[in-house]
Amino acid sequence: DVKVTQSSRYLVKRTGEKVFLECVQDMDHENMFWYRQDPGLGLRLIYFSYDVKMKEKGDIPEGYSVSREKKERFSLILESASTNQTSMYLCASSILSGGPNQPQHFGDGTRLSIL
Amino acid sequence: TQLLEQSPQFLSIQEGENLTVYCNSSSVFSSLQWYRQEPGEGPVLLVTVVTGGEVKKLKRLTFQFGDARKDSSLHITAAQPGDTGLYLCAGASMNRDDKIIFGKGTRLHILP
Repeated sequence: DVKVTQSSRYLVKRTGEKVFLECVQDMDHENMFWYRQDPGLGLRLIYFSYDVKMKEKGDIPEGYSVSREKKERFSLILESASTNQTSMYLCASSILSGGPNQPQHFGDGTRLSIL
Repeated sequence: TQLLEQSPQFLSIQEGENLTVYCNSSSVFSSLQWYRQEPGEGPVLLVTVVTGGEVKKLKRLTFQFGDARKDSSLHITAAQPGDTGLYLCAGASMNRDDKIIFGKGTRLHILP
């Protein structure tokens, strides 16, 4: 069965820390995505990658960066965590064929709290 | 900017009742996807509808894509507590280079 694994289910960090969220998929998918999910705001795309070392900004990239050194791994980095980055973070992947609008497979999410 | 509006935002009904939730847009989509997200988990794809007017059934769930490919509905017959969750629709643009866009979801709670 297909699997997207996020490294932590829950994470608590302090303001100003550099935070790494890791995501690994075992489906050999080219596309990988990072979203944050907040009540009333739905899923918002932070960054997207369609290949190793390739990345594109999503709708809300400010305060975040990403790394895609290997096809199966996509990391989200909070350069200097702030309280407004407290949220549920979801990683997803999809096949390249047909473009980035293919159905996505999601991980179970990381609930991040910034104190 | 393409937008997907889902209604209602929240729905709480008794076990055994029927319900319909909606996903509407002024834009045309090449396909629409429906996901269900249970508490503490990520969204899981339920179905993709591609053809205008298409109807797909998944046990007690019936999905329909509007004739004009701008809207979709999800009908649940005889709702069960296991149907509880957040239902998200997502639209794929006619431009294949665009990323899918998600609606904000309908949060469904089925009371036993």
